[in-house]
Amino acid sequence: GENVEQHPSTLSVQEGDSAVIKCTYSDSASNYFPWYKQELGKRPQLIIDIRSNVGEKKDQRIAVTLNKTAKHFSLHITETQPEDSAVYFCAASRAGGFKTIFGAGTRLFVKA
Amino acid sequence: ETGVTQTPRHLVMGMTNKKSLKCEQHLGHNAMYWYKQSAKKPLELMFVYSLEERVENNSVPSRFSPECPNSSHLFLHLHTLQPEDSALYLCASSQEAREGGTQYFGPGTRLTVL
Repeated sequence: GENVEQHPSTLSVQEGDSAVIKCTYSDSASNYFPWYKQELGKRPQLIIDIRSNVGEKKDQRIAVTLNKTAKHFSLHITETQPEDSAVYFCAASRAGGFKTIFGAGTRLFVKA
Repeated sequence: ETGVTQTPRHLVMGMTNKKSLKCEQHLGHNAMYWYKQSAKKPLELMFVYSLEERVENNSVPSRFSPECPNSSHLFLHLHTLQPEDSALYLCASSQEAREGGTQYFGPGTRLTVL
């Protein structure tokens, strides 16, 4: 079946450093790739997304890249801050389908 | 309250109880979802409703029964649950289920089955 693999499961960085989270997907028809951030005890919230007709998208300190050929996409956070500490989920879905498949999540710790 | 709301926020029930979770969205969306979130596991899609019609049932046991009376409300009826059903149950909504668009999540109901 369709699945999304996400790595690493845990990531610890020093404040100011960059963090990179990688995901691979199996459904070649996937065309929408959102990233959600879930702080402790709170709901998942969209932080950035990318569609398959774009290779890269940036929003201030966060960016997402997509390689459709290799079926993988990545989240990049630069100049990390303690408030970036959370669980990050990648996901993949396709137009015409009703499912969004989520990765298992990456717990990011940013040490001050 | 705006966005997606869920009640109750916490629920403890015995295996023989019957309870219901409620979700309400104030975003004018056409699609609503139930997810199960367990520790160290991906979000598991349970049900999808589009325009009040169930369009996805992800092999969920019959002890979970969804209901969508209108596009703003979604219920999850629970009966004879098992301890392994203890988890955070998240409701979400989106503008259109088929478009692969952004989903907006509720705060979740933390369910404990004794």
